[in-house]
Amino acid sequence: DSGVTQTPKHLITATGQRVTLRCSPRSGDLSVYWYQQSLDQGLQFLIQYYNGEERAKGNILERFSAQQFPDLHSELNLSSLELGDSALYFCASSRDRNSPLHFGNGTRLTVT
Amino acid sequence: AQKVTQAQTEISVVEKEDVTLDCVYETRDTTYYLFWYKQPPSGELVFLIRRNSFDEQNEISGRYSWNFQKSTSSFNFTITASQVVDSAVYFCALSGEVKGGGSQGNLIFGKGTKLSVKP
Repeated sequence: DSGVTQTPKHLITATGQRVTLRCSPRSGDLSVYWYQQSLDQGLQFLIQYYNGEERAKGNILERFSAQQFPDLHSELNLSSLELGDSALYFCASSRDRNSPLHFGNGTRLTVT
Repeated sequence: AQKVTQAQTEISVVEKEDVTLDCVYETRDTTYYLFWYKQPPSGELVFLIRRNSFDEQNEISGRYSWNFQKSTSSFNFTITASQVVDSAVYFCALSGEVKGGGSQGNLIFGKGTKLSVKP
């Protein structure tokens, strides 16, 4: 168990809808990262937060947004969902920018 | 641009065989980090190892060993005496130099190698 908690485990929704994925980092970790794993693109970095502030952006669509709250948990919001957004979304956390990532179990999103 | 290539898409071995998973990377950074992660059928990503670009010493952890060769930009992973529980997808990843707001966490992953170990 990595200590990173993601909810829900599975999410099924329809095109055009909006969903929120939640992540609680390991105790003491200030950085949270979101990754998307799809068959087409593989594992891709989406966005990073550090102690509540956005630190880096990867290949994140404009329809997607994230935030990190004062208690350090993070949410990834996906809106106007398309079939191609179906993927496994991972959250990861690290103690600081020099520490390796520890991943949660992921949220599997299916858009129908 | 940074890139990680895992040329082996799938490998199948019989239990107790040794197996090597290849990883070749490209980067212009002088300081960088290399990682291996394991994704078993249950789906989670498990951290295995991190190496920085200044440490070319090979590492051994039980049945796992890693060979880092800067001259060939490779970071290969060997499992000795494989077991059925080793069946998983293995990912090699690269992160760049940590500067400014950067982080080791912005990883570039390879496509992964699916290892099947048969009894």
